[in-house]
Amino acid sequence: AQSVTQPDIHITVSEGASLELRCNYSYGATPYLFWYVQSPGQGLQLLLKYFSGDTLVQGIKGFEAEFKRSQSSFNLRKPSVHWSDAAEYFCAVVTGGGNKLTFGTGTQLKVEL
Amino acid sequence: NAGVTQTPKFQVLKTGQSMTLQCAQDMNHEYMSWYRQDPGMGLRLIHYSVGAGITDQGEVPNGYNVSRSTTEDFPLRLLSAAPSQTSVYFCASSYQSPGQGAGYTFGSGTRLTVV
Repeated sequence: AQSVTQPDIHITVSEGASLELRCNYSYGATPYLFWYVQSPGQGLQLLLKYFSGDTLVQGIKGFEAEFKRSQSSFNLRKPSVHWSDAAEYFCAVVTGGGNKLTFGTGTQLKVEL
Repeated sequence: NAGVTQTPKFQVLKTGQSMTLQCAQDMNHEYMSWYRQDPGMGLRLIHYSVGAGITDQGEVPNGYNVSRSTTEDFPLRLLSAAPSQTSVYFCASSYQSPGQGAGYTFGSGTRLTVV
């Protein structure tokens, strides 16, 4: 079955440092992939998505992600992290013939000042 | 524009009780879904609907019922609550199915505890 794996449960970075959150997918064809962010006590917010075309996707809040078919990855990046980026980040893949969105287990980001 | 509204925000139930979690959206979205979020397990899909009158099961549907009589509302019913249903529940909606490119708008969640 199609799925995504987020290998890192927790990541800590210093404010101003660069960030890369990993997401690996398991899918035979070209997957449709999303990244969402969840601030404490909130629902999830869409950061960006990949369906086709350019493999480097720009999102909100200065985030970007790169689709790499050879590595089955869709890693999320930000060049300079702000303290307000501390949150939980979820990668997700479209499944169920296009009617379902399956989420990874999430990566909790802590930002040190 | 309220977006996706979930009620209640918090609920404590006794084992065996029933209740309905409410979800309403005012964006005329066709697609709606319910997820539960548990520590270390991410979000798991319970049920979803691609339009009024059409519902289908997700990966963890047991113990939950849904219906979609209007475009706006998608209630989730727990028929006989069990401690294993202690979780945070999220409703999400989008104007199209995920496979058509639509991102979800999430509600703020309902924290349910079953004792």
